[in-house]
Amino acid sequence: AQSVAQPEDQVNVAEGNPLTVKCTYSVSGNPYLFWYVQYPNRGLQFLLKYITGDNLVKGSYGFEAEFNKSQTSFHLKKPSALVSDSALYFCAVRDTYAGNMLTFGGGTRLMVKP
Amino acid sequence: NAGVTQTPKFRILKIGQSMTLQCTQDMNHNYMYWYRQDPGMGLKLIYYSVGAGITDKGEVPNGYNVSRSTTEDFPLRLELAAPSQTSVYFCASSYDRTIQETQYFGPGTRLLVL
Repeated sequence: AQSVAQPEDQVNVAEGNPLTVKCTYSVSGNPYLFWYVQYPNRGLQFLLKYITGDNLVKGSYGFEAEFNKSQTSFHLKKPSALVSDSALYFCAVRDTYAGNMLTFGGGTRLMVKP
Repeated sequence: NAGVTQTPKFRILKIGQSMTLQCTQDMNHNYMYWYRQDPGMGLKLIYYSVGAGITDKGEVPNGYNVSRSTTEDFPLRLELAAPSQTSVYFCASSYDRTIQETQYFGPGTRLLVL
């Protein structure tokens, strides 16, 4: 069965500093990985995805994520955090062996302080 | 495009009552999904639909029913509300269900069962 782990419930960073939100996964086949962001009282918004190719994926709002197959990780990164980046971030995985069902991690709350 | 819309935004139900959560998308997407989000947990798939007239169970279907009479609408029915159904419900849609397809989410319905 496929699974996703986000080991940190909350990440605190100062505005202007780099941020990392961690995600590890477990799949039987090839992983297809997604990051979504949820702002207060809003639905999830797509940020970026890894399907194949370059291990560094660039997405919306200056975010990027690095796929590491040996460490089964897909960490979300941004070089310089903004207060407006404060939100709930979800990592998700799709597995070719699991009927294409999308499995979400538990979410990580990012708090960016001025 | 309005994208994916959901009504109501918030509802309080008494145990045993029934209600229908509405979901509509205007992107002509074939696939639609219902998820529930519990505190500290990732999203869990309740039901999904691959097109009008076709629905299938997800990971946590018990206590819910769905129908899909049109491409645009995918209502979720709770027949006998239970406290365990207190959650935030998200509807999503995608053009197809290929491995790389992005899902688009509605703003959610917060349900409290007392």
